[in-house]
Amino acid sequence: SAVISQKPSRDICQRGTSLTIQCQVDSQVTMMFWYRQQPGQSLTLIATANQGSEATYESGFVIDKFPISRPNLTFSTLTVSNMSPEDSSIYLCSVDGLAGGIGYNEQFFGPGTRLTVL
Amino acid sequence: AQSVTQLDSQVPVFEEAPVELRCNYSSSVSVYLFWYVQYPNQGLQLLLKYLSGSTLVKGINGFEAEFNKSQTSFHLRKPSVHISDTAEYFCAVSGTGYSTLTFGKGTMLLVSP
Repeated sequence: SAVISQKPSRDICQRGTSLTIQCQVDSQVTMMFWYRQQPGQSLTLIATANQGSEATYESGFVIDKFPISRPNLTFSTLTVSNMSPEDSSIYLCSVDGLAGGIGYNEQFFGPGTRLTVL
Repeated sequence: AQSVTQLDSQVPVFEEAPVELRCNYSSSVSVYLFWYVQYPNQGLQLLLKYLSGSTLVKGINGFEAEFNKSQTSFHLRKPSVHISDTAEYFCAVSGTGYSTLTFGKGTMLLVSP
C-alpha cells in the first residue's frame, strides 16, 4: 500500500486568506484526488489532480476557489482560496494506480487536513 | 453516474453481537464496490473491496460483505463486534478502470459494553 502524508495536519485560518495543503506519496502513482469532508458529512470529490495538466473539477467546484497543482507523480497541492467559515472541513487526498499496477482501483487516503476558518 | 445509499446513519450494538451495515447502489455501468472505515480524527482505511469473482468478500478485522447484483446491494457484516469497531463506515462505488469514488453518507457504528 501507499504511504501518504499531508501538511498541515490542521490549521485555523482567518476569513479571506488562503491555505495550501500538500500531499506527498512514497511511490509514483497514476491518479491523485482531492476530497472534502464537511463536519458530520460524507466525502465529496473536489477534483482529480492531473500530472502536467489542469485538474479535472467536479460539479460545484472551480479552479479559482480550489487551484490544484501536480508537478510530478508523487506530489500535489490543493489551495483553498479566499476562505470563509463554510470552507471549514477536512480535506483529504487519495491515490490510485500504484507503480506496477499494484493497488489498481484501490484508493488509499491520506490522514486529512482539518481546516477551521474563523 | 453512480449513487450510494446507506440507510442507517447510526447503528448501536452491544459488544460481541453481530452487526450488518446496509449499502445499496445504483449505476448504469459495471461497478467496483468498497467499504472504508474512519476512526475518530483519522483518515479512511479500506476494509474490503469487490472487483469481480466471488460475491462474498472478506476484509480486515473480521468484516465481510456480499455483493448482490440483483438487489444492487453490498451489505457489510461482522459476526461479533468489539468496542474498538466503533467508527464511521462508508460504502463507496466506482466505475471499472481508473475511476472516481462516490461515497454514501456513512453509518456510525456504536459498540457499547
